[in-house]
Amino acid sequence: KAGVTQTPRYLIKTRGQQVTLSCSPISGHRSVSWYQQTPGQGLQFLFEYFSETQRNKGNFPGRFSGRQFSNSRSEMNVSTLELGDSALYLCASSLSGTGVGYTFGSGTRLTVV
Amino acid sequence: GIQVEQSPPDLILQEGANSTLRCNFSDSVNNLQWFHQNPWGQLINLFYIPSGTKQNGRLSATTVATERYSLLYISSSQTTDSGVYFCAVNYGGSQGNLIFGKGTKLSVKP
Repeated sequence: KAGVTQTPRYLIKTRGQQVTLSCSPISGHRSVSWYQQTPGQGLQFLFEYFSETQRNKGNFPGRFSGRQFSNSRSEMNVSTLELGDSALYLCASSLSGTGVGYTFGSGTRLTVV
Repeated sequence: GIQVEQSPPDLILQEGANSTLRCNFSDSVNNLQWFHQNPWGQLINLFYIPSGTKQNGRLSATTVATERYSLLYISSSQTTDSGVYFCAVNYGGSQGNLIFGKGTKLSVKP
């Protein structure tokens, strides 16, 4: 079966712009979680969506938002980009989102200049 | 919140050597997983191991939940084992979301 697909793989944006990242989960998976990975902070949880509803949100400013569509595909949006938003953004899909059975995508590497 | 600490932060091995990676956590957990991040950034799940011991080929893992630590053993290491190994936990307060350690960066030299 197809894995978790994240697009685009690489992205370069300018400070102040906004960006939208996409994640297509494994077929049948209803939970999509997003994580930010930086050299300084490591892997940090952003938010989790299940059946189009945000169930959990990490400790990130309101500039970070997301949504999930009826086909379980998810998007995350970052507005008013800052240099510190440069990171690898990973999404993971699972059947139930209980922390077990995650499959991660290859990530989107965002560079803010 | 819970603290997840991994050691060592960096490890350099010659091909064929064995290694042990450690993960300590500061509170009771619902589950614990080990991941390998490949050079392309993808996280690959190695073990789901809230307690006990599991083996998969040259890799094995042991979690002693009562003492709040887990160990990942890599035997007869190969260059393809290089990458970063993460321990991640889920506990009551995290509501299903994973709390990751900082990782151990493993470099296996030919």
